[in-house]
Amino acid sequence: EPEVTQTPSHQVTQMGQEVILRCVPISNHLYFYWYRQILGQKVEFLVSFYNNEISEKSEIFDDQFSVERPDGSNFTLKIRSTKLEDSAMYFCASRPLGGVSYEQYFGPGTRLTVT
Amino acid sequence: AQSVAQPEDQVNVAEGNPLTVKCTYSVSGNPYLFWYVQYPNRGLQFLLKYITGDNLVKGSYGFEAEFNKSQTSFHLKKPSALVSDSALYFCAVRTEGMDSNYQLIWGAGTKLIIKP
Repeated sequence: EPEVTQTPSHQVTQMGQEVILRCVPISNHLYFYWYRQILGQKVEFLVSFYNNEISEKSEIFDDQFSVERPDGSNFTLKIRSTKLEDSAMYFCASRPLGGVSYEQYFGPGTRLTVT
Repeated sequence: AQSVAQPEDQVNVAEGNPLTVKCTYSVSGNPYLFWYVQYPNRGLQFLLKYITGDNLVKGSYGFEAEFNKSQTSFHLKKPSALVSDSALYFCAVRTEGMDSNYQLIWGAGTKLIIKP
């Protein structure tokens, strides 16, 4: 069964550094998402992406964040200058084209630790 | 604004007993509700969803959920719990207003512990 994959599984970085989190969505999916979960807190929506552009973003997704689909298979989340509070589990999700009844499929997550 | 509440941080059930994990929601229109499960060091796995139709929805691993519009609830249930069901369970609701795309709004999660 096809799966969403994410790399790396764990990323440790110093405050102020740039990080890129990578995701490979399921191949025939056309909607892509990033969510994050700070330890002990709720899962929070960051951004959705469709047709090579952001379709919706949350207040969390400020100018420090960007997303890209560079090659038709990868979907990346970049944080330009990481802060301590960016430490969280980041989940990528994808969904096929179609009605809203289609669920989102999630990857295993990348644990980002900012020191 | 839409919201989801999972009133229990943790639910403890003996193996073989029925289990219920509670979820209530708040939406202004028709609710689209989901349950996901997260095993340790794993991602969020889809269990089941309610979009329309029968109030009792059946999903993966023997789980089901009952949609109750009057009580605005979508409780997850299983008739006979297994130790392997121990995990973190999340209820989520789809945002409204966009026909083709949506984001999920999540509950805080409930840790389910099944004791042998």
